[in-house]
Amino acid sequence: DAKTTQPNSMESNEEEPVHLPCNHSTISGTDYIHWYRQLPSQGPEYVIHGLTSNVNNRMASLAIAEDRKSSTLILHRATLRDAAVYYCILRDGPSYNTDKLIFGTGTRLQVFP
Amino acid sequence: EAQVTQNPRYLITVTGKKLTVTCSQNMNHEYMSWYRQDPGLGLRQIYYSMNVEVTDKGDVPEGYKVSRKEKRNFPLILESPSPNQTSLYFCASSLLGTGDGYTFGSGTRLTVV
Repeated sequence: DAKTTQPNSMESNEEEPVHLPCNHSTISGTDYIHWYRQLPSQGPEYVIHGLTSNVNNRMASLAIAEDRKSSTLILHRATLRDAAVYYCILRDGPSYNTDKLIFGTGTRLQVFP
Repeated sequence: EAQVTQNPRYLITVTGKKLTVTCSQNMNHEYMSWYRQDPGLGLRQIYYSMNVEVTDKGDVPEGYKVSRKEKRNFPLILESPSPNQTSLYFCASSLLGTGDGYTFGSGTRLTVV
């Protein structure tokens, strides 16, 4: 099962950019890289996902290394509302046979005013 | 509104009394899954289902049962709950074969005394 490695915690000041790293050295060619975040007392919320190219959406940007063994979630201007636990996971895109996901413990992001 | 609905949100029960936590999605997703979340352990997958009548074990299936008789519903059954099943439970759903993101429910906090 493909696994990811993330730092336990990170800190940022409000309105500064935040770069959250994730290592996934055992990624396979069909694995998509997903990012989710979980605010206190809520279910995980989808943030962004990608396969090979960098991706942007209204919430964040995803930068994927050329060898795909690591990725970085970029929050361009952190707000207090971005304080959450961020999870990086791998999902086999074309698979109709198995979807056994491993979340890990994620990165707890603290944002200071 | 596209969503995953879990019920109940909170449940306190006694050891050995059978209970069911319901999960329903309105997005015609093939894939559904259950997770439990405990302090310091992150999200761990209990069971998942790739489609109607197709289910498989996740990482922590002991003490749980599931069924997938209809595409929209994926109930989690605890035949004889024990205190070590006190946890926060999440249901999630997704399309298959696209690599797209998961939609999570709001969670069910279960306490077994």
